[in-house]
Amino acid sequence: AQTVTQSQPEMSVQEAETVTLSCTYDTSESDYYLFWYKQPPSRQMILVIRQEAYKQQNATENRFSVNFQKAAKSFSLKISDSQLGDAAMYFCSQGGSEKLVFGKGTKLTVNP
Amino acid sequence: NAGVTQTPKFRVLKTGQSMTLLCAQDMNHEYMYWYRQDPGMGLRLIHYSVGEGTTAKGEVPDGYNVSRLKKQNFLLGLESAAPSQTSVYFCASSYETGDYQPQHFGDGTRLSIL
Repeated sequence: AQTVTQSQPEMSVQEAETVTLSCTYDTSESDYYLFWYKQPPSRQMILVIRQEAYKQQNATENRFSVNFQKAAKSFSLKISDSQLGDAAMYFCSQGGSEKLVFGKGTKLTVNP
Repeated sequence: NAGVTQTPKFRVLKTGQSMTLLCAQDMNHEYMYWYRQDPGMGLRLIHYSVGEGTTAKGEVPDGYNVSRLKKQNFLLGLESAAPSQTSVYFCASSYETGDYQPQHFGDGTRLSIL
């Protein structure tokens, strides 16, 4: 069975600082992929970053990067130079052959 | 570009009433999904479809039915609404899950059952 665990229900960061959101997962599939989605108060689900399991290189998208540890089944999200607009719920998700499974989310607060 | 469109955006029902949520996508995606989002629970998969005419159960399918008669549409039905079905419902689509394609989400439907 696929499971995704986000152990931090809430996190806070000072504007311009760096924050790391944790995610662990479990799957029996050998070919899979991982995503981080952002959900601001507007309720939209916005794709932040994605990683294919077979790629060893960590994905990066501007201020967002991941630390993918396949053996440990860990997929953390690092946000550098945090901005007020980064405040949102962040969901880690793991996808297999048909379905995407989501964690329960981490609420990120950015303090000015 | 419309992407994924959900209708309606808000709805209030009485217990026992029925209704259908409509999801339409214009990206020619094969896969479509219905999720519900509850506080502290993340997104949970209700039903999904891997192509026109196909449906499959997700994590929390009880009390819901779905149909995918046309490739671009995925309908979620509540036959007899219950207060436990009060939630925000999201529809999503993707070209092909196994091909590393992310899901594209609609803006959600807030459903309240009184």
